[in-house]
Amino acid sequence: RKEVEQDPGPFNVPEGATVAFNCTYSNSASQSFFWYRQDCRKEPKLLMSVYSSGNEDGRFTAQLNRASQYISLLIRDSKLSDSATYLCVSGMRFGAGTRLTVKP
Amino acid sequence: DTGVSQDPRHKITKRGQNVTFRCDPISEHNRLYWYRQTLGQGPEFLTYFQNEAQLEKSRLLSDRFSAERPKGSFSTLEIQRTEQGDSAMYLCASSLGGTSGRIYNEQFFGPGTRLTVL
Repeated sequence: RKEVEQDPGPFNVPEGATVAFNCTYSNSASQSFFWYRQDCRKEPKLLMSVYSSGNEDGRFTAQLNRASQYISLLIRDSKLSDSATYLCVSGMRFGAGTRLTVKP
Repeated sequence: DTGVSQDPRHKITKRGQNVTFRCDPISEHNRLYWYRQTLGQGPEFLTYFQNEAQLEKSRLLSDRFSAERPKGSFSTLEIQRTEQGDSAMYLCASSLGGTSGRIYNEQFFGPGTRLTVL
């Protein structure tokens, strides 16, 4: 079993849609959680850190449920520029990523 | 440019040859990470350093792989007796050490070295 499991996707949504990604992690001792974004043939870049109380950055909201070892990312009002692969991270372990395509 | 740099960007080699990659982290970052990524997968953790100390190495990493960070600055990743299955993008990242009770901070990635083993 992989240490970080993500929705396999791909997600194809129209502009303006709300989309949610889910992720589970197996290391209960993990203390650091992130969502990274990776564009095609580019390196991953931090989208946002994930805190226990939940956190929001503009159209993006991240939630952490330590009891269920579950992380989520919500994107509201999707833009064409949101098209990318979203990587869930627990500590230093990355998930396989979920591909999002936002269409006009 | 003060970001993470990697050299070379591309490497083509024949099976059985040894290859070495270099990573120069962001200068004030004390942590350095190596990952491997194949198409359709996320970065797979290989190893990480805090300063010059190698603190963790993936159990998936065979003995053919070795990494060093001799002076706590740049790092090298060597693959001996390369196999076709080693073909991948090798990513290096750096970060500051954990603070405020968090163990890991944001990692900044380099552009990667794409290895092709023929």
